[in-house]
Amino acid sequence: KAGVTQTPRYLIKTRGQQVTLSCSPISGHRSVSWYQQTPGQGLQFLFEYFSETQRNKGNFPGRFSGRQFSNSRSEMNVSTLELGDSALYLCASSLVGGQYEQYFGPGTRLTVT
Amino acid sequence: QKEVEQNSGPLSVPEGAIASLNCTYSDRGSQSFFWYRQYSGKSPELIMFIYSNGDKEDGRFTAQLNKASQYVSLLIRDSQPSDSATYLCAVIRNSGGYQKVTFGTGTKLQVIP
Repeated sequence: KAGVTQTPRYLIKTRGQQVTLSCSPISGHRSVSWYQQTPGQGLQFLFEYFSETQRNKGNFPGRFSGRQFSNSRSEMNVSTLELGDSALYLCASSLVGGQYEQYFGPGTRLTVT
Repeated sequence: QKEVEQNSGPLSVPEGAIASLNCTYSDRGSQSFFWYRQYSGKSPELIMFIYSNGDKEDGRFTAQLNKASQYVSLLIRDSQPSDSATYLCAVIRNSGGYQKVTFGTGTKLQVIP
């Protein structure tokens, strides 16, 4: 069974721009969660989508948004990029939902200059 | 006090020894506990989860949970150089009707051949 895939793997953007990241979960998994990982803050939960609905949300500003499509693929959007948004963005899929027993994708490394 | 605390390490153990990784959490209502392994430059990989007090064994890995003392540990028997990685502890608790997942910052394990 194919694992979680994320595109693109690397991205360089300029302050003020916006970016869209994509995640395809493991086949059959309807839950997709997004995380930000930085050396200083570690792994932090952004939000979870389940059956096209945002089911849970972390403590990130509204510039961070997401959506999920009927085939469970998910996108995350960050608007008005700031230097501090430079991070590894990970998505994880789960069969059981929530943040239980998650399988992570390879991540998208975002650099904001 | 951090919600989930781990010693950052590095924890160095000789090949063949038992590596003991510890994680403490602050919320007594925490329900579910996970251990992820993250190799340098890679995404986290789920290796163990435990929901009830006591021990749970899977191959060379044993997760131990003590809710009264609010700690969860991971024992790796017969440590191998390939076990060298950062180990992340994740804790789920209910918060305002939502499940909240918090990751520790990880313990770096070095297995010395």
